[in-house]
Amino acid sequence: QVQLVESGGGVVQPGTSLRLSCEASGFTFSHYATHWVRQAPGKGLEWVAAISYDASRTYYADFVKGRFTISRDNSQNTLFLQMNSLTTEDTAVYYCARGSWCIGGRCGLMASDYWGQGTLVTVSS
Amino acid sequence: DFQMTQSPSSLSASVGDTVTITCRASQGFGNYLAWYQQKPGKVPKLLIYAASTLQSGVPSRFSGAGSGTDFTLTISSLQPEDVATYYCQKYDNIPWAFGQGTRVEIK
Repeated sequence: QVQLVESGGGVVQPGTSLRLSCEASGFTFSHYATHWVRQAPGKGLEWVAAISYDASRTYYADFVKGRFTISRDNSQNTLFLQMNSLTTEDTAVYYCARGSWCIGGRCGLMASDYWGQGTLVTVSS
Repeated sequence: DFQMTQSPSSLSASVGDTVTITCRASQGFGNYLAWYQQKPGKVPKLLIYAASTLQSGVPSRFSGAGSGTDFTLTISSLQPEDVATYYCQKYDNIPWAFGQGTRVEIK
């Protein structure tokens, strides 16, 4: 079955860095774009970043540009989010989510039918 | 900036009632609109995609409609297990955009 499993969250001080991972299984990871979406405590869902199926394109929300880097290793079926210069406003549960697909030159838009369980990042002094 | 505005932000209804949640986009984008259900402490669950297509396994009391800028999620015959926050999402291109969420409670 399809699974996305995040790891790497924790409690860190403002100004420090953290690297999140999301390990995929049960589907051909290299066929799908993947996203990071976060949810601050008691708040709504907020899109953070995305990467194309082949890692050729990356996209970021304005509030993380220059601080966060999304990457992927298709040989290891793993998505990453390198987070630098963290602030208290980055405190949230971070979810990875499967997105659109591209197979054999054909691509299709998709809502996210699979999400990881989330990993909590707490930025506090 | 593109915005998705959901209304109401919360609602309370009785078991068996029909409830409707609205999502309005600041610009039209076709029908690449999804609805998610998130129960407290849980992961968002896809209910509807392409504005009106029910995701496999989702009860038929959930339905979606709309295109362009105005979309609705309707829950007919509200059940106790439907207590959750519901989000709309546009996914036609990146960045994804989510509505603010609508919290549904039982009266």
